[in-house]
Parts: sequence; C-alpha cells; structure tokens
Amino acid sequence: QQPVQSPQAVILREGEDAVINCSSSKALYSVHWYRQKHGEAPVFLMILLKGGEQKGHEKISASFNEKKQQSSLYLTASQLSYSGTYFCGTEGSSASKIIFGSGTRLSIRP
Amino acid sequence: SAVISQKPSRDICQRGTSLTIQCQVDSQVTMMFWYRQQPGQSLTLIATANQGSEATYESGFVIDKFPISRPNLTFSTLTVSNMSPEDSSIYLCSVRLAAGEKLFFGSGTQLSVL
Repeated sequence: QQPVQSPQAVILREGEDAVINCSSSKALYSVHWYRQKHGEAPVFLMILLKGGEQKGHEKISASFNEKKQQSSLYLTASQLSYSGTYFCGTEGSSASKIIFGSGTRLSIRP
Repeated sequence: SAVISQKPSRDICQRGTSLTIQCQVDSQVTMMFWYRQQPGQSLTLIATANQGSEATYESGFVIDKFPISRPNLTFSTLTVSNMSPEDSSIYLCSVRLAAGEKLFFGSGTQLSVL
C-alpha cells in the first residue's frame, strides 16, 4: 500500500526550512528518502530502520516514529541544489520491496 | 555498492509492438526490481525479478503484458508487450544488496509509444 506523502509541493526561498512527511497504514521495517531531479534517476538520501532513529547529514535530517509509522524529512537552510522531487519509500516488516509515496516537489528560489 | 547498466536509454515504438529492456549489474544481487514512472508521477513497482523462478508482480501488472526474465544474479530483462500510448513511461531497474539497505537505480529507459 502506497505511503501518504505531504505536502505535494513546496516553494521556498534560499535559506528557508522545509519539512516533508510520510505516513503508512502498515507496520514498517524501514523508511527510505530519495531525491530526483528532472530527467535523472532517484538519488538516495538516507534510510531509517525501525527503532525511532533520527539520522542526518549536513542540513538534511530525518526521523522515524515506528509506533505511528511516520517519517519526516527536515531540510534546513535550503540551497538551490535542494530543488527536485522528494520521495519516501517504505519497506514492510516482512518484505524486501520498497513502495514509494506520491512525491513532494520542492522548488527553491534565490 | 552496485553499478547498473540499463539499455536502451530511450526508444520510440509503434503501437502493438514489444520492447525488451535489459538490466546488467556489476555484482551478484539477490533483490532486483522493475519500476515504472509515468510523466510527473511517482515510482510504481511493477515486479520483483526472481532468479530462477517467475517474477512476483504487483497488483495491476500481469506477466502477459510485462514478462520478466532473470536468468542469473546479475541480469534481468523486462518486456513491454503489445504497447499502447499509455505505456509511455520511464522504466527503471533497481537492486538492493540486502533487506534494510538502499536501492540502487539504473539510469532508466524512456519509452514513447506512438
């Protein structure tokens, strides 16, 4: 079942922050975050395993609430290079396949 | 890590014909998947390609329309059969080295059906 992702689109000025949410109705083993730029394949950002872990690198971090089956991606002090479509992908507790959300289109203005 | 070579990168096909997309991985992987991405949409899982057995298809996808082969742990093909304009999409091969690890993607095949 496809995870629900919100918002559908975000427009920011450079330097502003954004939060993208992802929720599932099923128990999750892991949550993935990818960014895709137009005409390119998705690029891996991070993976969060069950356990309420929070991860991050540079100004992009994410959290995973296993009990609520929700994950959030945090983009701080956004840069022009952050523009693209962000997808969360969820892996159920007994499967190895990844199901992707509908995506969040992020546009950064100078 | 895994490096995936996918071809063709793009093709323009006539209605009613078939196209076979190839996916070659530089290492042996147990988990290989085929996704479809329609214009402006998300990535939709078509099937899991199983080595030595029939692929596992997701709801809405059938073997007659999307036959998949997986003769070994480094190679798979996806065929889009009896194409119609609705099949115009990007088709992506992806692999995982293990459960709980990230997906690696091929560069995709952009298919246009006239």
